[in-house]
Amino acid sequence: AQSVTQLDSQVPVFEEAPVELRCNYSSSVSVYLFWYVQYPNQGLQLLLKYLSGSTLVKGINGFEAEFNKSQTSFHLRKPSVHISDTAEYFCAVSYSGAGSYQLTFGKGTKLSVIP
Amino acid sequence: DTEVTQTPKHLVMGMTNKKSLKCEQHMGHRAMYWYKQKAKKPPELMFVYSYEKLSINESVPSRFSPECPNSSLLNLHLHALQPEDSALYLCASSSPLQDLHFGNGTRLTVT
Repeated sequence: AQSVTQLDSQVPVFEEAPVELRCNYSSSVSVYLFWYVQYPNQGLQLLLKYLSGSTLVKGINGFEAEFNKSQTSFHLRKPSVHISDTAEYFCAVSYSGAGSYQLTFGKGTKLSVIP
Repeated sequence: DTEVTQTPKHLVMGMTNKKSLKCEQHMGHRAMYWYKQKAKKPPELMFVYSYEKLSINESVPSRFSPECPNSSLLNLHLHALQPEDSALYLCASSSPLQDLHFGNGTRLTVT
């Protein structure tokens, strides 16, 4: 079985400051890892993903994440946040199933950027 | 703008009503998904269609009935719902082993 733990339910940060949203996973098989963002009253948008290869993954809107197999982590970072980054962020894990991704989501981290 | 279109955006229904949620995509994706998201919670998978066949049903009550009439359309038929079924219902689509693309959801309120 696989699971995802997002260690912080809320993260307040001042505008232009760096931010790290933490995600740890557990799985007995090789996994794919994702970060999604959800703005109010919208669906989920993919920020970035790790499937294989380089452990440092760059995504949209200046976000990046690093896959760390030994620590079973996939933390999301941004060096300088903007007001528009205020949203809910979900880490998700999937394994290589047959024909479709079966995503297991973490509980989410609400990022609040303070002007 | 999302490439997965869900209608309606909002729906209020009584417990004896029958209604349907609709989802449409024209990206050629052959996997389509229904998720349910309660307030301040992550999305929970309900159903997966792969090549227009139901491949996953996550033990969803029969008052929710999915339908995939063709590769571009996904419906969710609702009947005799309970107030606790009030939630945001998200549709998503993907190519095999590719990213999920989500719609903006239908916010359902059951009175």
